[in-house]
Amino acid sequence: GAVVSQHPSWVICKSGTSVKIECRSLDFQATTMFWYRQFPKQSLMLMATSNEGSKATYEQGVEKDKFLINHASLTLSTLTVTSAHPEDSSFYICSATLAGGYNEQFFGPGTRLTVL
Amino acid sequence: GDSVTQMEGPVTLSEEAFLTINCTYTATGYPSLFWYVQYPGEGLQLLLKATKADDKGSNKGFEATYRKETTSFHLEKGSVQVSDSAVYFCALSLEGGYNKLIFGAGTRLAVHP
Repeated sequence: GAVVSQHPSWVICKSGTSVKIECRSLDFQATTMFWYRQFPKQSLMLMATSNEGSKATYEQGVEKDKFLINHASLTLSTLTVTSAHPEDSSFYICSATLAGGYNEQFFGPGTRLTVL
Repeated sequence: GDSVTQMEGPVTLSEEAFLTINCTYTATGYPSLFWYVQYPGEGLQLLLKATKADDKGSNKGFEATYRKETTSFHLEKGSVQVSDSAVYFCALSLEGGYNKLIFGAGTRLAVHP
């Protein structure tokens, strides 16, 4: 099946710094990628939807200047958490799909972010 | 708002036991329903789905029936194996296909020999 990777798998950073998380589709071209956030013992919450070559669409309540998403190629999307604070500590998960939302989403294994 | 509620885990079973993981939903329209499974260190994988009332999704011995009258989509398996140990997520989509997935909190299943 289709494989999606994320890098890094975990990261610890100091408050005020920025962290970039990569999401790659390894064996297919992903026109659409999704970014989710998961708090302990809670649901995955959709943060934003990104289509290759265009600006991401953010869900209500998600700060676009805080969570910068770039989807510059058909195999790579990045999420940058800017000026991270302890409340940004969470599990970030991406998924990728072939063409819009009518095809199955393939998920990455997630990135654990801890902000000190 | 639209939401998915799953039974809290962990669920601990002996091998060959019967499994039920409850899932109920609240939705304003007619959602598609999904079960995803996440094995340790891996991404979520689609396990099964149902797109309309009374549909039954099935895969790898797991099955779930879309019950509109009870707004439920419970996951069942007749005989679990140690290899079924994972976290199971129930989800819905209101916009067709796999768009805008809304997930439950996940239920961890541990199967012992």
